Amino acid sequence: DAGVIQSPRHEVTEMGQEVTLRCKPISGHDYLFWYRQTMMRGLELLIYFNNNVPIDDSGMPEDRFSAKMPNASFSTLKIQPSEPRDSAVYFCASSYLGGDSYEQYFGPGTRLTVT
Amino acid sequence: QKEVEQNSGPLSVPEGAIASLNCTYSDRVSQSFFWYRQYSGKSPELIMSIYSNGDKEDGRFTAQLNKASQYVSLLIRDSQPSDSATYLCAVKRGESFQKLVFGTGTRLLVSP
Repeated sequence: DAGVIQSPRHEVTEMGQEVTLRCKPISGHDYLFWYRQTMMRGLELLIYFNNNVPIDDSGMPEDRFSAKMPNASFSTLKIQPSEPRDSAVYFCASSYLGGDSYEQYFGPGTRLTVT
Repeated sequence: QKEVEQNSGPLSVPEGAIASLNCTYSDRVSQSFFWYRQYSGKSPELIMSIYSNGDKEDGRFTAQLNKASQYVSLLIRDSQPSDSATYLCAVKRGESFQKLVFGTGTRLLVSP
Protein backbone atom coordinates (compact mmCIF):
# COMPACT_ATOMS: atom_id res chain seq x y z
CA ASP A 1 0.00 0.00 0.00
CA ALA A 2 1.34 3.44 -0.88
CA GLY A 3 2.10 5.76 1.99
CA VAL A 4 0.95 9.32 2.38
CA ILE A 5 1.43 11.17 -0.90
CA GLN A 6 2.19 14.87 -1.07
CA SER A 7 2.62 17.20 -4.01
CA PRO A 8 4.50 19.13 -5.05
CA ARG A 9 7.73 18.04 -3.34
CA HIS A 10 9.29 21.44 -3.87
CA GLU A 11 7.64 24.79 -4.45
CA VAL A 12 9.34 28.11 -5.06
CA THR A 13 7.12 31.13 -5.35
CA GLU A 14 7.22 34.87 -5.01
CA MET A 15 5.77 36.80 -2.13
CA GLY A 16 2.10 37.53 -2.66
CA GLN A 17 1.38 34.48 -4.77
CA GLU A 18 -1.10 31.78 -3.87
CA VAL A 19 0.33 28.40 -2.93
CA THR A 20 -1.62 25.13 -2.78
CA LEU A 21 -0.19 22.01 -1.20
CA ARG A 22 -1.84 18.65 -1.74
CA CYS A 23 -2.08 15.46 0.27
CA LYS A 24 -3.49 11.98 -0.25
CA PRO A 25 -3.70 10.04 3.04
CA ILE A 26 -3.31 6.30 3.43
CA SER A 27 -6.47 4.51 2.40
CA GLY A 28 -8.62 3.65 5.40
CA HIS A 29 -7.12 6.28 7.67
CA ASP A 30 -9.72 8.60 9.17
CA TYR A 31 -7.44 11.29 10.58
CA LEU A 32 -5.37 13.73 8.55
CA PHE A 33 -2.87 16.23 9.92
CA TRP A 34 -1.02 19.18 8.44
CA TYR A 35 2.29 20.17 10.04
CA ARG A 36 4.88 22.83 9.39
CA GLN A 37 8.55 22.33 10.27
CA THR A 38 11.18 25.03 10.62
CA MET A 39 14.56 25.09 12.33
CA MET A 40 13.41 27.72 14.79
CA ARG A 41 10.01 26.31 15.77
CA GLY A 42 10.34 22.62 15.04
CA LEU A 43 7.34 20.57 13.98
CA GLU A 44 4.06 22.41 14.55
CA LEU A 45 0.56 21.09 14.04
CA LEU A 46 -1.48 23.45 11.89
CA ILE A 47 -4.81 21.63 11.60
CA TYR A 48 -6.26 18.15 11.70
CA PHE A 49 -9.35 16.47 10.30
CA ASN A 50 -11.40 13.50 11.38
CA ASN A 51 -13.60 11.90 8.74
CA ASN A 52 -13.05 14.96 6.52
CA VAL A 53 -14.23 17.40 9.24
CA PRO A 54 -11.77 19.94 10.68
CA ILE A 55 -11.39 19.25 14.40
CA ASP A 56 -8.68 21.63 15.57
CA ASP A 57 -7.31 24.52 13.54
CA SER A 58 -5.79 26.40 16.46
CA GLY A 59 -2.33 26.03 14.94
CA MET A 60 -3.20 27.81 11.71
CA PRO A 61 -1.06 30.94 11.95
CA GLU A 62 -3.47 33.44 10.41
CA ASP A 63 -6.24 33.95 7.91
CA ARG A 64 -3.85 33.60 5.01
CA PHE A 65 -3.84 29.86 5.67
CA SER A 66 -6.78 27.61 4.87
CA ALA A 67 -7.23 23.86 4.62
CA LYS A 68 -9.91 21.67 3.12
CA MET A 69 -10.66 18.00 2.93
CA PRO A 70 -13.41 17.47 0.35
CA ASN A 71 -13.23 13.67 0.59
CA ALA A 72 -11.44 10.89 2.41
CA SER A 73 -8.62 10.68 -0.10
CA PHE A 74 -7.64 14.31 -0.65
CA SER A 75 -6.75 17.43 1.30
CA THR A 76 -5.30 20.81 0.44
CA LEU A 77 -3.47 23.49 2.38
CA LYS A 78 -3.62 26.90 0.78
CA ILE A 79 -1.61 30.01 1.56
CA GLN A 80 -2.87 33.26 0.06
CA PRO A 81 -1.01 35.57 -0.11
CA SER A 82 2.30 33.87 0.65
CA GLU A 83 5.07 35.61 2.60
CA PRO A 84 8.80 34.82 3.02
CA ARG A 85 8.17 33.74 6.62
CA ASP A 86 5.98 30.93 5.33
CA SER A 87 9.10 29.21 3.98
CA ALA A 88 9.23 25.81 5.65
CA VAL A 89 8.69 22.11 5.07
CA TYR A 90 5.02 21.20 5.22
CA PHE A 91 4.15 17.64 6.16
CA CYS A 92 0.88 15.82 5.86
CA ALA A 93 0.27 12.80 8.09
CA SER A 94 -2.56 10.34 8.54
CA SER A 95 -3.65 7.87 11.19
CA TYR A 96 -6.59 5.66 12.12
CA LEU A 97 -8.47 5.09 15.32
CA GLY A 98 -8.00 1.57 16.59
CA GLY A 99 -5.38 -1.09 16.92
CA ASP A 100 -2.90 -1.67 19.68
CA SER A 101 -0.72 1.31 18.99
CA TYR A 102 -1.14 4.81 17.76
CA GLU A 103 0.99 6.06 14.90
CA GLN A 104 0.88 8.99 12.59
CA TYR A 105 2.31 8.18 9.17
CA PHE A 106 4.04 11.12 7.56
CA GLY A 107 4.28 11.98 3.91
CA PRO A 108 7.58 13.05 2.32
CA GLY A 109 6.81 16.73 2.79
CA THR A 110 6.66 19.79 0.57
CA ARG A 111 9.58 22.19 0.82
CA LEU A 112 8.17 25.68 0.29
CA THR A 113 10.39 28.65 -0.47
CA VAL A 114 8.82 32.09 -0.72
CA THR A 115 11.11 34.76 -2.12
CA GLN B 1 7.90 27.07 29.16
CA LYS B 2 7.60 24.87 26.09
CA GLU B 3 5.15 21.99 26.31
CA VAL B 4 7.77 19.45 25.24
CA GLU B 5 11.45 20.21 25.75
CA GLN B 6 14.50 18.50 24.35
CA ASN B 7 18.16 19.39 24.24
CA SER B 8 18.89 20.28 20.63
CA GLY B 9 22.35 18.69 20.73
CA PRO B 10 24.21 17.53 18.85
CA LEU B 11 24.78 14.52 21.06
CA SER B 12 27.94 12.80 19.86
CA VAL B 13 28.67 9.18 20.77
CA PRO B 14 31.14 6.65 19.39
CA GLU B 15 29.93 3.58 17.55
CA GLY B 16 28.92 0.82 19.96
CA ALA B 17 28.17 3.18 22.86
CA ILE B 18 24.81 3.86 24.50
CA ALA B 19 23.07 7.04 23.38
CA SER B 20 20.70 8.59 25.91
CA LEU B 21 18.10 11.07 24.70
CA ASN B 22 15.89 12.97 27.12
CA CYS B 23 12.59 14.79 26.99
CA THR B 24 10.46 16.64 29.54
CA TYR B 25 6.85 17.70 29.18
CA SER B 26 4.72 20.21 31.03
CA ASP B 27 1.15 18.90 30.72
CA ARG B 28 0.45 16.49 33.57
CA VAL B 29 -2.59 14.99 31.86
CA SER B 30 -0.46 13.68 29.00
CA GLN B 31 -1.07 9.99 28.55
CA SER B 32 0.96 8.74 25.60
CA PHE B 33 4.54 9.34 24.57
CA PHE B 34 6.37 8.70 21.32
CA TRP B 35 9.82 8.84 19.84
CA TYR B 36 10.16 9.66 16.15
CA ARG B 37 13.38 9.47 14.14
CA GLN B 38 13.98 11.94 11.33
CA TYR B 39 16.87 11.62 8.94
CA SER B 40 18.06 14.79 7.27
CA GLY B 41 15.72 15.78 4.46
CA LYS B 42 13.25 13.01 5.30
CA SER B 43 9.97 12.75 7.16
CA PRO B 44 9.59 11.61 10.79
CA GLU B 45 9.01 7.92 11.42
CA LEU B 46 7.80 6.33 14.64
CA ILE B 47 10.32 4.12 16.43
CA MET B 48 8.92 3.76 19.94
CA SER B 49 5.76 4.44 21.90
CA ILE B 50 5.22 4.17 25.66
CA TYR B 51 2.06 4.59 27.70
CA SER B 52 2.84 3.51 31.28
CA ASN B 53 5.59 4.18 33.77
CA GLY B 54 8.72 2.09 33.47
CA ASP B 55 10.78 0.73 30.62
CA LYS B 56 9.79 -0.60 27.23
CA GLU B 57 12.35 -2.40 25.11
CA ASP B 58 12.35 -3.02 21.37
CA GLY B 59 15.58 -4.37 19.97
CA ARG B 60 18.36 -1.88 20.59
CA PHE B 61 15.87 0.78 21.72
CA THR B 62 14.52 1.29 25.24
CA ALA B 63 11.98 3.96 26.13
CA GLN B 64 11.67 5.02 29.76
CA LEU B 65 8.75 6.94 31.25
CA ASN B 66 8.41 8.64 34.63
CA LYS B 67 5.08 10.46 34.81
CA ALA B 68 5.73 11.80 38.32
CA SER B 69 8.81 13.61 37.05
CA GLN B 70 7.22 14.31 33.65
CA TYR B 71 10.20 12.79 31.97
CA VAL B 72 10.64 10.39 29.06
CA SER B 73 13.88 9.10 27.62
CA LEU B 74 15.16 6.94 24.79
CA LEU B 75 18.22 4.74 25.10
CA ILE B 76 19.93 3.37 22.01
CA ARG B 77 22.31 0.51 22.75
CA ASP B 78 25.20 -0.44 20.48
CA SER B 79 24.80 2.82 18.56
CA GLN B 80 25.51 2.63 14.84
CA PRO B 81 26.42 5.40 12.38
CA SER B 82 23.05 4.69 10.75
CA ASP B 83 21.39 5.90 13.97
CA SER B 84 22.66 9.42 13.25
CA ALA B 85 19.48 11.45 12.91
CA THR B 86 17.26 13.87 14.79
CA TYR B 87 15.05 12.26 17.42
CA LEU B 88 11.72 13.92 18.13
CA CYS B 89 9.82 13.40 21.34
CA ALA B 90 6.04 13.68 21.00
CA VAL B 91 3.31 13.77 23.62
CA LYS B 92 -0.37 13.08 23.23
CA ARG B 93 -2.59 15.21 25.40
CA GLY B 94 -5.29 13.49 27.37
CA GLU B 95 -8.14 15.71 26.27
CA SER B 96 -7.40 15.59 22.56
CA PHE B 97 -7.24 12.04 21.40
CA GLN B 98 -5.24 12.30 18.22
CA LYS B 99 -3.25 15.52 18.63
CA LEU B 100 0.50 15.24 19.16
CA VAL B 101 2.80 17.95 20.50
CA PHE B 102 6.39 17.59 19.34
CA GLY B 103 9.65 18.73 20.86
CA THR B 104 12.18 20.43 18.61
CA GLY B 105 14.33 17.31 18.55
CA THR B 106 17.80 16.18 19.54
CA ARG B 107 20.38 15.63 16.85
CA LEU B 108 22.40 12.45 17.40
CA LEU B 109 25.76 11.87 15.75
CA VAL B 110 27.33 8.41 15.96
CA SER B 111 30.95 8.36 14.87
CA PRO B 112 32.59 5.19 13.42
